[in-house]
Amino acid sequence: NAGVTQTPKFQVLKTGQSMTLQCAQDMNHEYMSWYRQDPGMGLRLIHYSVGAGITDQGEVPNGYNVSRSTTEDFPLRLLSAAPSQTSVYFCASSYGGARTDYEQYFGPGTRLTVT
Amino acid sequence: GENVEQHPSTLSVQEGDSAVIKCTYSDSASNYFPWYKQELGKGPQLIIDIRSNVGEKKDQRIAVTLNKTAKHFSLHITETQPEDSAVYFCAADRGNMLTFGGGTRLMVKP
Repeated sequence: NAGVTQTPKFQVLKTGQSMTLQCAQDMNHEYMSWYRQDPGMGLRLIHYSVGAGITDQGEVPNGYNVSRSTTEDFPLRLLSAAPSQTSVYFCASSYGGARTDYEQYFGPGTRLTVT
Repeated sequence: GENVEQHPSTLSVQEGDSAVIKCTYSDSASNYFPWYKQELGKGPQLIIDIRSNVGEKKDQRIAVTLNKTAKHFSLHITETQPEDSAVYFCAADRGNMLTFGGGTRLMVKP
């Protein structure tokens, strides 16, 4: 199993540009999520999905969109990038369906810089 | 919503010493408390977890304690080794969402 994969590893955007961060998992996990990691602030939940066709907002959803058309893929879209979105983004998946009291498997991260 | 505070933000110990990281949470409905370790350039990885019906859990050199009344839980690492150097995150779960603490950078000096 490849586990959770994320592309790209690094990305530089100009303010106002849009892009999609890709996330895929091959473990047949129902729960998938996106976090951003900023210094001193831990990991903050952006959006999550408890299964194909179902998504919901986390703590910091503004400026981001998600969709879940398949069990395997959970892309994160930045609609109009802002410098405040400079961060490291992690995708995670877990077995638990609508529950998060199971091990979260994290991808390697995407480092995004917005200038 | 849930709020998780983690202390200290940095911790430096000598190899062989013990390390303790503490977290407090705000939502009494939280019932699952995992700890994740993040090595440089990688995603976090689960190292131990504890559920609200248990007061302590141990796995070799690491242990976690939970005090539900006081709403705090701690990670204990004994006989630290250089490979324990990493960032550690605590988290609290309310059923469909994990809330993470701010992280502790642990440095183990050989």
